[in-house]
Amino acid sequence: EIVLTQSPGTLSLSPGERATLSCRASQSVSSSFLAWYQQKPGQAPRLLIYGASSRATGIPDRFSGSGSGTDFTLTISRLEPEDFAVYYCQQYGSSLQYTFGQGTKLEIK
Amino acid sequence: QVQLVQSGAEVKKPGASVKVSCKASGYTFTSYDINWVRQATGQGLEWMGWMNPNSGNTGYAQKFQDRVTMTRNTSISTAYMELSSLRSDDTAVYYCARVYSVPGTTFPYWGQGSLVTVSS
Repeated sequence: EIVLTQSPGTLSLSPGERATLSCRASQSVSSSFLAWYQQKPGQAPRLLIYGASSRATGIPDRFSGSGSGTDFTLTISRLEPEDFAVYYCQQYGSSLQYTFGQGTKLEIK
Repeated sequence: QVQLVQSGAEVKKPGASVKVSCKASGYTFTSYDINWVRQATGQGLEWMGWMNPNSGNTGYAQKFQDRVTMTRNTSISTAYMELSSLRSDDTAVYYCARVYSVPGTTFPYWGQGSLVTVSS
């Protein structure tokens, strides 16, 4: 089973700042089958990024993903008030065994 | 548009079972895998398993292998997740999620979640 470790656990920033979230896998994630989700309180997760760097439908271009192998990054270029939430990375693929990271909480400073 | 509507909140006693439903609409139910993910209060997302609504084939996370059963009723486009031998640490919101396309792809579509509370 691939274990995903996200850092930091909590990130305190102000609107307008740049956010960089990390996701490290215990073994290489094949074909960059790595996704990012955003979750706000009381809501289901929302898919942001798939294939490590492709934005899902309707996701603003201030969200970007990068990385390969075992190290992946979600970057939010300029934080908007609605971006403060919890972010999860997920690995997926043909093994049909999915795992999530433990999450990074992005809070207003 | 794709919609997944889940059953309501449940309160169960330790040792009991719970069955959560997920009714799909807006697409061909048998064409896309349904996955189940749970989230304890204040905790992260935990993947439980997948089901192919066409064949009925399933795959479960090892942690839940002995206690979870995922089924479907294609006539009413509904998937079910049954968890047995409930414990207090099974208290969580349970989500169903549909894959984007073929098995092994991401989860762009989610149900609203069903709260299951396990308490004596």
